[in-house]
Amino acid sequence: SAVISQKPSRDICQRGTSLTIQCQVDSQVTMMFWYRQQPGQSLTLIATANQGSEATYESGFVIDKFPISRPNLTFSTLTVSNMSPEDSSIYLCSVAEPMGYNEQFFGPGTRLTVL
Amino acid sequence: GEDVEQSLFLSVREGDSSVINCTYTDSSSTYLYWYKQEPGAGLQLLTYIFSNMDMKQDQRLTVLLNKKDKHLSLRIADTQTGDSAIYFCAESGGDSSYKLIFGSGTRLLVRP
Repeated sequence: SAVISQKPSRDICQRGTSLTIQCQVDSQVTMMFWYRQQPGQSLTLIATANQGSEATYESGFVIDKFPISRPNLTFSTLTVSNMSPEDSSIYLCSVAEPMGYNEQFFGPGTRLTVL
Repeated sequence: GEDVEQSLFLSVREGDSSVINCTYTDSSSTYLYWYKQEPGAGLQLLTYIFSNMDMKQDQRLTVLLNKKDKHLSLRIADTQTGDSAIYFCAESGGDSSYKLIFGSGTRLLVRP
């Protein structure tokens, strides 16, 4: 399976600021996804990030708040903009294996606290 | 819309079997998954089952799927303290084949 790393692993930020989270994969993958896990909650898909095209956002998530980059097949970033305490969550990237899109593997997550 | 439901908590004694249950609403789901999340960690894919199967076994793990009732279960045999974690059921398929819809997670506590 793909090995996925995320940076930073955790951060504490002030409201009104922005944070960019990086996701690095050790192999080329077509599809990458960004999920949010609010405290004590399940995971919710934010957007699908495909290389060479605009990210596709789920209902309730917008590009101005969560801009995403996907410059190549092994890397993506998610920015959480103009943060408020409600953005405090774990943000996880995942990838669908190129040989079998039915398997999705997750990174370790970025734990964000907004004060 | 699509919905996945799980019971919130399960407590078992070490060495017993654990059964975690999940129900889903999307009859067009293609794959159903079980993920494990340990404290402070990301999600680990444990196993998944294709919707045309009714059972899958992988070492201590057995997945049962009742497609008619839209019911999925994960059985862990000989449960160990290291199995204590949150277990998420998820489905994919339907209109958005690669989007995973997660349940709320079941916290499994294994007592010594």
